[in-house]
Amino acid sequence: AQSVTQLDSQVPVFEEAPVELRCNYSSSVSVYLFWYVQYPNQGLQLLLKYLSGSTLVKGINGFEAEFNKSQTSFHLRKPSVHISDTAEYFCAVSVFSGNTPLVFGKGTRLSVIA
Amino acid sequence: GAVVSQHPSWVICKSGTSVKIECRSLDFQATTMFWYRQFPKQSLMLMATSNEGSKATYEQGVEKDKFLINHASLTLSTLTVTSAHPEDSSFYICSAPGRVTEAFFGQGTRLTVV
Repeated sequence: AQSVTQLDSQVPVFEEAPVELRCNYSSSVSVYLFWYVQYPNQGLQLLLKYLSGSTLVKGINGFEAEFNKSQTSFHLRKPSVHISDTAEYFCAVSVFSGNTPLVFGKGTRLSVIA
Repeated sequence: GAVVSQHPSWVICKSGTSVKIECRSLDFQATTMFWYRQFPKQSLMLMATSNEGSKATYEQGVEKDKFLINHASLTLSTLTVTSAHPEDSSFYICSAPGRVTEAFFGQGTRLTVV
């Protein structure tokens, strides 16, 4: 079985400062890795995904994440945040097979302070 | 990109009544759809997997008689919360798997039972 740990439940950060949201996963098989963002009372929007290849993945809205197999991590970063980045961020994994559901972390609430 | 439409986006119902939530894949066929439940400030938890043409499979602890799932066609899955109680108040989200294990999410339904 797979599991995802998001170490920080809340991360406050000042506008234009950099941010890193941490994600570690556990799996006995190879996985795909995802970061989703959720705005209040809305569904999930895909920020980025790691399937294979380069370990540094760039996504939308200026976010990027780096896959580290030895540390089983997939931390999300942004060099300069905006007020509009305030949202809930979920890290998720999926195994290498079709039609399988995602396993989510508990989420990290990013609050950007003006 | 692929779109999943979920309706309604919010609903308030009286205790004891039933509520139906629809999830449609608008530009692709989905033989499988996943239904998640999200409590406030918590992650998404998989409730069940709906399969077109066969019975849904439920996660442990989810009452199949309370959460009725019907996958009527390749583009429509419905979740009916029967005899709703206040503890069923939650955010329900559907998703359909994409080609490379990417998931496409509906907008979510905020259910409030009074």
